[in-house]
Amino acid sequence: KNEVEQSPQNLTAQEGEFITINCSYSVGISALHWLQQHPGGGIVSLFMLSSGKKKHGRLIATINIQEKHSSLHITASHPRDSAVYICAVRSQKPEGGSEKLVFGKGMKLTVNP
Amino acid sequence: NAGVTQTPKFQVLKTGQSMTLQCAQDMNHNSMYWYRQDPGMGLRLIYYSASEGTTDKGEVPNGYNVSRLNKREFSLRLESAAPSQTSVYFCASKIEAARLGKLFFGSGTQLSVL
Repeated sequence: KNEVEQSPQNLTAQEGEFITINCSYSVGISALHWLQQHPGGGIVSLFMLSSGKKKHGRLIATINIQEKHSSLHITASHPRDSAVYICAVRSQKPEGGSEKLVFGKGMKLTVNP
Repeated sequence: NAGVTQTPKFQVLKTGQSMTLQCAQDMNHNSMYWYRQDPGMGLRLIYYSASEGTTDKGEVPNGYNVSRLNKREFSLRLESAAPSQTSVYFCASKIEAARLGKLFFGSGTQLSVL
């Protein structure tokens, strides 16, 4: 079982729809990142959170530490939101070990006009 | 302020050839990383450098070497390229001191090894 699972793997939506992208993880974490990768390939960090909720424009990210789950919401979706959304978790240090960043496989979102 | 600059953008190599991927950041970040991205898989860490003068292996270091030349630059070298190293490579950086700091990525290098 992967340490970070994203669902769905692909999503097609119509412009204006409310979109939710999910991320579940199986390890203890110190932080969770949401990243956006556009068709051109560049990767941009959207959010980094360790608890609660963060909002930036039409994007909202939430995390539930107890349930080991995070969601990325896109309100009033637009074709320019079409991208791959990647969840990554910074796992807590095991005894004597070091933290590491584990990436999900990503979710491809297509928003049609 | 360019952020993370990664070169080249594209490269085609023959098996056995060598090359170096260059990465530089102008944000005074301590930590720098090299990842590879393959279809159907998440980004995987090749090597990282927590500070100038230190480097450590990541998840998939075999076939690669790195150099943290100074605080700005972190290069990735393939000494003898193999077809299994065909991938998209990303350099990234962050301020480790700000423990929950965001990651900043370069634009990627698409490498094909024939």
